Amino acid sequence: DIQLTQSPSFLSASVGDRVTITCRASQGISSNLAWYQQKPGKAPKLLISAASTLQSGVPSRFSGSGSGTEFTLTISSLQPEDFATYYCQQLNSYPPTFGGGTKVEIK
Amino acid sequence: EVQLLESGGGLVQPGGSLRLSCAASGFTFSTYAMSWVRQGPGKGLEWVSVISGSGGSPHYADSVKGRFTISRDNSKNTLYLQMNSLRAEDTAVYYCAKDLSSIQMTYYFDYWGQGTLVTVSS
Repeated sequence: DIQLTQSPSFLSASVGDRVTITCRASQGISSNLAWYQQKPGKAPKLLISAASTLQSGVPSRFSGSGSGTEFTLTISSLQPEDFATYYCQQLNSYPPTFGGGTKVEIK
Repeated sequence: EVQLLESGGGLVQPGGSLRLSCAASGFTFSTYAMSWVRQGPGKGLEWVSVISGSGGSPHYADSVKGRFTISRDNSKNTLYLQMNSLRAEDTAVYYCAKDLSSIQMTYYFDYWGQGTLVTVSS
């Protein structure tokens, strides 16, 4: 199975900060990567597909980039509603797998 | 509006069985692959199983293969997960999730249910 390693696993930031989360794959996955946001007690929400395609309704402060083995999720200006845990997911190879998550908390 | 509503979770003893259901509405259920994804307490996400829109091509994670069975009833817009020989490590919130595309199975999950908790304990 393809392993996805997210860094950092925990991030403390302030409103207005630029935040970058990295996801590294154990082998190349082209651009077959998604990013999800999960708030406590809620289901995950799809933010980005195909590494960089923003889903409808997702604010433009979210962006994704990368291909192959290294990917990033960037929040250009952190808002109060963005404090959550973020997961990457690969779907290049069966079975689909998720990263361990990055928890973004308020500094 | 797309809605997915899971039910059937609860407390079960090791070795026991449970059947989860996911009632779907707001989209043409029969044209989308559906998956089950679980999340252990305080843990990350783990994909469990997928089934195509027509009900064919079921696939399973190795951790549940031979114990879990995914199925669907398109006349009732409902997805199921039959879980047998349950183990403590199956304890998790189980989510049903809709595939992004109606054309092919992408494993991008654009809608999720609220989840149902399964606890395996004696």
